[in-house]
Amino acid sequence: AQRVTQPEKLLSVFKGAPVELKCNYSYSGSPELFWYVQYSRQRLQLLLRHISRESIKGFTADLNKGETSFHLKKPFAQEEDSAMYYCALSEETSGSRLTFGEGTQLTVNP
Amino acid sequence: GAVVSQHPSWVICKSGTSVKIECRSLDFQATTMFWYRQFPKQSLMLMATSNEGSKATYEQGVEKDKFLINHASLTLSTLTVTSAHPEDSSFYICSASDSYTDTQYFGPGTRLTVL
Repeated sequence: AQRVTQPEKLLSVFKGAPVELKCNYSYSGSPELFWYVQYSRQRLQLLLRHISRESIKGFTADLNKGETSFHLKKPFAQEEDSAMYYCALSEETSGSRLTFGEGTQLTVNP
Repeated sequence: GAVVSQHPSWVICKSGTSVKIECRSLDFQATTMFWYRQFPKQSLMLMATSNEGSKATYEQGVEKDKFLINHASLTLSTLTVTSAHPEDSSFYICSASDSYTDTQYFGPGTRLTVL
């Protein structure tokens, strides 16, 4: 069965510092990976997906099949990046069920 | 952008009663919707996949007779928690999959408290 692991429950950085939120997965097939973000008192929203290969709000994530990782990175963190970040895996690209990681609470300090 | 609404946003009910939660895709059609449950400071746990016009697919350990799901149209899915008990108190979140973009959009969630 598929599994998504986010090893850090909490991550705290200073404004302007680089940030990396780790995500590892286990899945025997060809997965699609996502990062979702949940700002305080807001709904979960899609941040980026690996097939898009785009940068959203300065964040990027590269799928590394060898290491089965999909780490989220941003070179210069901003205070407004403080939020809960969830890595998720989908078994196929047809809007199928998502398996979420435990989430990482990112706090960017001024 | 695509919006998913949930109603109600919060509900308090007595033990033994049933509660219905609605999930609507406001500006797109969703043949597939998903229902999640989230406990405090925990991740989302998928409960079931709701397919328009057919029976829902429940995850292992989720009682289908307890959590009734109906997806009668391309824009509406409902979750009914039957004979609710205090342990059913949780945050219930739905998502709808846009049929054209394969993107899941999430509702704001419904806070259920069973007394």
